[in-house]
Amino acid sequence: AQTVTQSQPEMSVQEAETVTLSCTYDTSESDYYLFWYKQPPSRQMILVIRQEAYKQQNATENRFSVNFQKAAKSFSLKISDSQLGDAAMYFCAYRSSGGSQGNLIFGKGTKLSVKP
Amino acid sequence: DAGITQSPRHKVTETGTPVTLRCHQTENHRYMYWYRQDPGHGLRLIHYSYGVKDTDKGEVSDGYSVSRSKTEDFLLTLESATSSQTSVYFCAISEVRREDTQYFGPGTRLTVL
Repeated sequence: AQTVTQSQPEMSVQEAETVTLSCTYDTSESDYYLFWYKQPPSRQMILVIRQEAYKQQNATENRFSVNFQKAAKSFSLKISDSQLGDAAMYFCAYRSSGGSQGNLIFGKGTKLSVKP
Repeated sequence: DAGITQSPRHKVTETGTPVTLRCHQTENHRYMYWYRQDPGHGLRLIHYSYGVKDTDKGEVSDGYSVSRSKTEDFLLTLESATSSQTSVYFCAISEVRREDTQYFGPGTRLTVL
């Protein structure tokens, strides 16, 4: 079974600085998808970024980018120019490309604090 | 934001009572999902639907049932609520063209006393 591990329960960053959140996963599959979701205090789960495993190029969305290392099964999220509104829980998630449509597997999350 | 609403947003109930949570979408997406979120566990899939009247179990389906009689509505029922079902429940949807990518509703906080 696939697993997703976020080894940093909490992280802190100074406003305007850069922070990297770590995620590793375990799978025997070669084709899959990876995601980062943000959950602010409002509790809403917000999709931050999506990566297709068969694509070598790292996904980027404005200030958010990933470092996808397929061989190492690593999928870290880099937040540049951190803003106070980036403070939230961040969840890494894995989804197989085949099989059950519902099979989105989440890590336990990293709580990010942003200091002014 | 994806057009997903959940009702109620908060509910307190007694052990042994039935509870139904509703997820409503205005996106006409084919796939719908129910997750629960508990401290230390992240989100875990309860049930999902791949079309009207087509549903299947997820990782933590015991004690829950679902129904989908219309594309836009996906109901989650706790037939006899227990304290272990105190949690935050999220509905999610995804479309056929990009069914891997799920968008979430605002969540329902359920407390079972």
